Amino acid sequence: NAGVMQNPRHLVRRRGQEARLRCSPMKGHSHVYWYRQLPEEGLKFMVYLQKENIIDESGMPKERFSAEFPKEGPSILRIQQVVRGDSAAYFCASSLNGHPNEQFFGPGTRLTVL
Amino acid sequence: GQQLNQSPQSMFIQEGEDVSMNCTSSSIFNTWLWYKQDPGEGPVLLIALYKAGELTSNGRLTAQFGITRKDSFLNISASIPSDVGIYFCAGLRSGGSNYKLTFGKGTLLTVNP
Repeated sequence: NAGVMQNPRHLVRRRGQEARLRCSPMKGHSHVYWYRQLPEEGLKFMVYLQKENIIDESGMPKERFSAEFPKEGPSILRIQQVVRGDSAAYFCASSLNGHPNEQFFGPGTRLTVL
Repeated sequence: GQQLNQSPQSMFIQEGEDVSMNCTSSSIFNTWLWYKQDPGEGPVLLIALYKAGELTSNGRLTAQFGITRKDSFLNISASIPSDVGIYFCAGLRSGGSNYKLTFGKGTLLTVNP
């Protein structure tokens, strides 16, 4: 059974460019969560999605950040006009039933903004 | 958002020693989780706790849900080199959502063989 997959694993962007981070949940999982981890910090919740719906985006910055989880295909976290402060590791987790102990994390995408 | 206070920030120990780390909060939590993160990877769940006073073991790991519901600790007995990594506590606050995990800043564990 494949776990949660994220790509790319590493992404380098220049200031002002767009970053698109992909997350493929575990097979059968319809709940997806995105977290951001700054250096030497814990993970911070960004957004919770179910298929085609955003359930809670209270942790997302108001501007430049968006997320989707279409009916077909991976979940996408999109960051427009990246700035240096966006440099971080972005983790996706998926779960089958939405229970907290069932959030399985992917390996993360490490974004570096030059 | 609130973060949990996790201590110590880092630990350097000899192989075979026992390790203890803890998390505290000013808020009440109704679920505590402990994760381990290896370099370049995502967190992996070690232990989940759901009741105040609950003591749960997973091999050489033991974790407890504090009676006050505002703290939790994790013990690792007889450490081995592969225990190296960052350990995070996480929880769900009472009265909050049942999915939005709050994480501590982590404890970096180094084990000298």
